[in-house]
Amino acid sequence: EVQLVESGGGVVRPGGSLRLSCTASGFTFDNYGMSWVRQVPGKGLEWVSGVNWTGGSTGYAGSVKGRFTISRDYAKNSLYLHMNNLRAEDTAFYYCARHSLIVAGSWFDSWGQGTLVTVSS
Amino acid sequence: EIVLTQSPGTLSLSPGERATLSCRASQSVSDSYLAWYQQKPGQAPRLLIYGASSRANGIPDRFSGSGSGTDFTLTISRLEPEDFAVFYCQQYGSSPLTFGGGTKVEIK
Repeated sequence: EVQLVESGGGVVRPGGSLRLSCTASGFTFDNYGMSWVRQVPGKGLEWVSGVNWTGGSTGYAGSVKGRFTISRDYAKNSLYLHMNNLRAEDTAFYYCARHSLIVAGSWFDSWGQGTLVTVSS
Repeated sequence: EIVLTQSPGTLSLSPGERATLSCRASQSVSDSYLAWYQQKPGQAPRLLIYGASSRANGIPDRFSGSGSGTDFTLTISRLEPEDFAVFYCQQYGSSPLTFGGGTKVEIK
């Protein structure tokens, strides 16, 4: 069974940093593109960042480009999102999602349960 | 960036009725690279449809998708009590990946 478990969320002050983690199990992590998708409570979904199967190709939403960095660790079957210079508008649930293919330009066939990031002074 | 507009915002229907949800794109979605997801309160989204019309594994055949270019439709032929939720469309034909704002299907 595919499992994606996010961690690392919490409360952080504006301008602060946070690192989210997603631990994958139940499938060959190396063979899939992965992304982070966020959702402000009660609102819609927003793709944040994605990485292909090799880690060599990444993409970012304009709203986070230059502040967030996505990475993956194959030895730990983990996906990360390093978030810097956080703003109040970054407050959201952050979901780890698996792409259906090796690239990060396909649909999402599995999702984690999300971790909440709150940016507040 | 491709903007996806979903309508209606809310659909009030009774179990057994047919639901028709629309997703319109600001520009053509290449190769019908469009997916649909269902999200229930407190849960992560669940994939229903990909490639505009292909059902994901384990999705009942009362869910069907259609469309191409800029106009796409998700149809639920006969609503079951467990189908009431929020539905999102997503395009993956161009970067950045984008989602529609969602349609809530509620019990009338």
